[in-house]
Amino acid sequence: GAVVSQHPSWVICKSGTSVKIECRSLDFQATTMFWYRQFPKQSLMLMATSNEGSKATYEQGVEKDKFLINHASLTLSTLTVTSAHPEDSSFYICSAYARQGDSGQPQHFGDGTRLSIL
Amino acid sequence: SQQGEEDPQALSIQEGENATMNCSYKTSINNLQWYRQNSGRGLVHLILIRSNEREKHSGRLRVTLDTSKKSSSLLITASRAADTASYFCATGANQAGTALIFGKGTTLSVSS
Repeated sequence: GAVVSQHPSWVICKSGTSVKIECRSLDFQATTMFWYRQFPKQSLMLMATSNEGSKATYEQGVEKDKFLINHASLTLSTLTVTSAHPEDSSFYICSAYARQGDSGQPQHFGDGTRLSIL
Repeated sequence: SQQGEEDPQALSIQEGENATMNCSYKTSINNLQWYRQNSGRGLVHLILIRSNEREKHSGRLRVTLDTSKKSSSLLITASRAADTASYFCATGANQAGTALIFGKGTTLSVSS
């Protein structure tokens, strides 16, 4: 159980395009989801915490107008990279906890989206 | 922000050998977790150790936690080529539902 599905897995598009990435919890409800960014051979950096029905909480240095997050349901969060440029090329991964209110549980990760901006 | 360092950054061993990776962190924690990432994929949870535990086993994995030194180690015994991946430690805060903070990771290569 506790499967997180992320779509698409790979996107190649032209500079200036907006790209939407979906993160779904398939067999559990997630009031909170997390979006991470990973550059080659580096670790995961938290971008934002996505909260169902409310605004996302962005980490310092992450432009909220650039990376739009919408968490409209208990099973879906979307990350939209607006007017993407080559420097936005990266690996984006989402995750969620399967149980609310439990501080001692693992996160469940999607398979990630590789975004390449030409 | 990142929690701390993993050591070593890269490790190359032969099949059958043991692999040990270390992780240090900076803040007080509720738990520490180890994840595995195959190239270009998402993360797979390996093991979670709580702050009041000192050692935990799962199959060929052994994790230790020393809260006084703010450090943890992951031991993979009798390694296999399929263990080739990047391994990350991540710390969880006391507040439920908060994000994990990841270390920089160790890239393990196991050759047959």
